[in-house]
Amino acid sequence: KAGVTQTPRYLIKTRGQQVTLSCSPISGHRSVSWYQQTPGQGLQFLFEYFSETQRNKGNFPGRFSGRQFSNSRSEMNVSTLELGDSALYLCASSLGMGAVAFFGQGTRLTVV
Amino acid sequence: AQKVTQAQTEISVVEKEDVTLDCVYETRDTTYYLFWYKQPPSGELVFLIRRNSFDEQNEISGRYSWNFQKSTSSFNFTITASQVVDSAVYFCALSEADAGNMLTFGGGTRLMVKP
Repeated sequence: KAGVTQTPRYLIKTRGQQVTLSCSPISGHRSVSWYQQTPGQGLQFLFEYFSETQRNKGNFPGRFSGRQFSNSRSEMNVSTLELGDSALYLCASSLGMGAVAFFGQGTRLTVV
Repeated sequence: AQKVTQAQTEISVVEKEDVTLDCVYETRDTTYYLFWYKQPPSGELVFLIRRNSFDEQNEISGRYSWNFQKSTSSFNFTITASQVVDSAVYFCALSEADAGNMLTFGGGTRLMVKP
């Protein structure tokens, strides 16, 4: 069974640009969550999608958005990039509430 | 609001030593789930264990064991006879029943096992 796949693995963007990250969950998993990991703030929850609906959102500005498609694949978008957006972005998929979340290898975003 | 605290930011041990990673959590929910994840240098978070709030049984899996105590809101993780391959950052996390699948993570404990 394939794991959670995130693409791309690495990205370098310039301040002010926008970026889209992709996540393919484990087959059969309908919940996809996104997390930002930085040395200063640690692992922080961005949002969760379940059956194409955003079910929960963390404390991030509106520049961070996401969506989920009917096949459960998810994308997150960050507009007007700032230097502070440089981070490892992790996607996790799970069967449902309270179930184990399995993580992808992450996308490392560097904003210059 | 939920909170997870891992007071030990970094631990260094010599191979074959036993080591315990501490985790203390705060929640107002009566139904919640606790997790431990391992993050090797590659970056991926690897699932180790899940416990629900109604199951206080301790668990042992090979060299790993977990001690869940609701009375002290703790969920500690012990590695017996540590090995160099255990070197990683370990995260404790909490999920509340009414918060979907949102995980609240502790700050992580970096474990270094020296040969």
